[in-house]
Amino acid sequence: RKEVEQDPGPFNVPEGATVAFNCTYSNSASQSFFWYRQDCRKEPKLLMSVYSSGNEDGRFTAQLNRASQYISLLIRDSKLSDSATYLCVVNSGSSYKLIFGSGTRLLVRP
Amino acid sequence: NAGVTQTPKFQVLKTGQSMTLQCAQDMNHNSMYWYRQDPGMGLRLIYYSASEGTTDKGEVPNGYNVSRLNKREFSLRLESAAPSQTSVYFCASSEPGQGSSYEQYFGPGTRLTVT
Repeated sequence: RKEVEQDPGPFNVPEGATVAFNCTYSNSASQSFFWYRQDCRKEPKLLMSVYSSGNEDGRFTAQLNRASQYISLLIRDSKLSDSATYLCVVNSGSSYKLIFGSGTRLLVRP
Repeated sequence: NAGVTQTPKFQVLKTGQSMTLQCAQDMNHNSMYWYRQDPGMGLRLIYYSASEGTTDKGEVPNGYNVSRLNKREFSLRLESAAPSQTSVYFCASSEPGQGSSYEQYFGPGTRLTVT
C-alpha cells in the first residue's frame, strides 16, 4: 500500500464548477499535511498547508480528518488557470521528510 | 531572492557517462533534498541532507552520490548513467526547525535523458 494515495483523475470540469479531491495516508504519526500544485513541466509549489481545524484560502478549502487519515481539497468557482496536478503531501511519521502522492490532474474547460 | 536554483535545465547522456547536477538555495535553509519524478510514480526521495556536513539515503539512492558542499549547495552525481535514470530531478530545501511545518521549496528541475 502506498503511504499517500490519490485518485489520479483527470477531473474534467467546466469553469465555475466546484471540484473536490481526496487523499488518504497510512502513517498515523504524521503531523504535517500540505497540498502542492504542479503545472505541466514545472516544479511543485506549495498551495496550502492543511490544519486540523480546516482552513480556507480564497476559493480553496482544505480539510483534515485524523481519525480516518484523510485529507481533502475543495476548489470553488474553478478557473481555467486552476488546471494543474494537485499533490497531496504528508510528513513521514515523526520525521520532517515529506511523502508525496502521485497527484490528481485537474482540467478546467471553458 | 532566487530561491532554489538548479543547473543544468536539460541534459542528454549516453549510458555509462557521468555527470553532476548542481543545486543552490539562498533561503538559509538547513535541509536540502534530491527527488526524481517519473510518470505515475510521484516524487521519490533519492538523498537528503539534514544540515551542512550530513547526508542520508532516501527511498531510491542506488546509482547516485551526493555532496553537501556548504549550507547553500547540494549536488547529485551519477557515476555511470543508465537508461533507468531517465527522469526529471528536483532539488528542494526546507527549514524544519522548531515551529516549522516542514514545507519544502523546489527548484525548476533538470530533465535528464540517458540513451
